[in-house]
Parts: sequence; C-alpha cells; structure tokens
Amino acid sequence: GAGVSQSPRYKVTKRGQDVALRCDPISGHVSLYWYRQALGQGPEFLTYFNYEAQQDKSGLPNDRFSAERPEGSISTLTIQRTEQRDSAMYRCASSYGTGLTYEQYFGPGTRLTVT
Amino acid sequence: QQPVQSPQAVILREGEDAVINCSSSKALYSVHWYRQKHGEAPVFLMILLKGGEQKGHDKISASFNEKKQQSSLYLTASQLSYSGTYFCGTENDSGGGADGLTFGKGTHLIIQP
Repeated sequence: GAGVSQSPRYKVTKRGQDVALRCDPISGHVSLYWYRQALGQGPEFLTYFNYEAQQDKSGLPNDRFSAERPEGSISTLTIQRTEQRDSAMYRCASSYGTGLTYEQYFGPGTRLTVT
Repeated sequence: QQPVQSPQAVILREGEDAVINCSSSKALYSVHWYRQKHGEAPVFLMILLKGGEQKGHDKISASFNEKKQQSSLYLTASQLSYSGTYFCGTENDSGGGADGLTFGKGTHLIIQP
C-alpha cells in the first residue's frame, strides 16, 4: 500500500516568507509526528498528533512554527517569517496506534532551503 | 536529553559482527532502533520496552537494560545491505508518551565486500 507522502519534496523560499509543508499519513494511522533532521544528525522531534488532537508542542522551536491536523488525517506544518536557520529536512511519520510503542513509518521528507 | 550512541562510525568486512550502543541519562520506557540509508527515510528495525527485553529478527537483535538506561543493537554476520546510519530513539519513562522520541546522533556503519 501507499506509504507516508510529503509535499513539496523540495522548497526554496526567501527569508521572511511563510511556508506550509504537507504530510499525508498511511491510511488508518491515527498518530502523526513531525521531525526536523539536519544533515548528519538524527531526527529532532517537533510535535505530534493523536487523531486531530495535538499532544505535545514542546519540540516546536518557537512560535513561528505551528502544526495542525484538522480532520485527523493530513497534517500541515507551517513556518512563518522563515529564517535561514530553518533550512533543514522536515520529515513526518505516522503510526498505527497512539503512544510510542508502535513503529513509526517515515515519509520522504521536504527539503526546505531558506535563502 | 539526547541519548549517546557509540561508536560514531564503524567499518566492517562482510560477515563480521557489530554492536551499536545507546545510552541515556534518563530512565527510559522504550528504545526504538531505525536504519537510514543515504538520501532515504529512516526505516524501523525494532522497539524494546521497559522490562529488559531482547528482540531479534534475521541476524539483527537488540537488548534493553533499563537499570543501566542502555540499549545495544547487534548485527551478526553483516551483509552489504546493512550499511547505513543507525539511530536509537528513546522515550522517557516519565513522559507518558507525550514527549515524542529523542534520537541519538547516529552510528555510521560501512560494510565492505
């Protein structure tokens, strides 16, 4: 079946612009996670949802970052007034159950470059 | 607090064994292991839960010592396909699953023919 999909795969934006990154989880997966991964580093947790409810926002770097999952399926990570330090690979992952005892399936990521 | 992985990198000949360690300064509820190949998404290997689990499939196995707050991944008779970066992700015991996974910096494994 289809895996986790993300769009766009690549995004180049100018400093100060807003960007919206989309994640489409595996059908039926109730939990959805957002991570940021710098080159050569492990994924850094940002936030996650069980169904449509955002469970934890403490990993979001600052208030320019927000995420939503209004219908419990597709999620959008929005970065306002982008800065060069926001450049990274943004990955989402989904899992079948709630909680962290289920395996997470990662998407291909969105490579964000802020110029 | 990010878990510490060791070694940072290892080069093996095909058929040799490897051990990758993951240590945390916090009490852990679970440890997740992923492998990531260059330019690809991380791929799930296994989850170990509090209680001193050991798991394995094929020639890859892992252990979790909650008292020592450590997990180890064992790769036996390594194959070329095992090359990649291995990440452990930890869930704190006090988090109730609300904190997400904290990943280590990874261990780069290169298998040579």
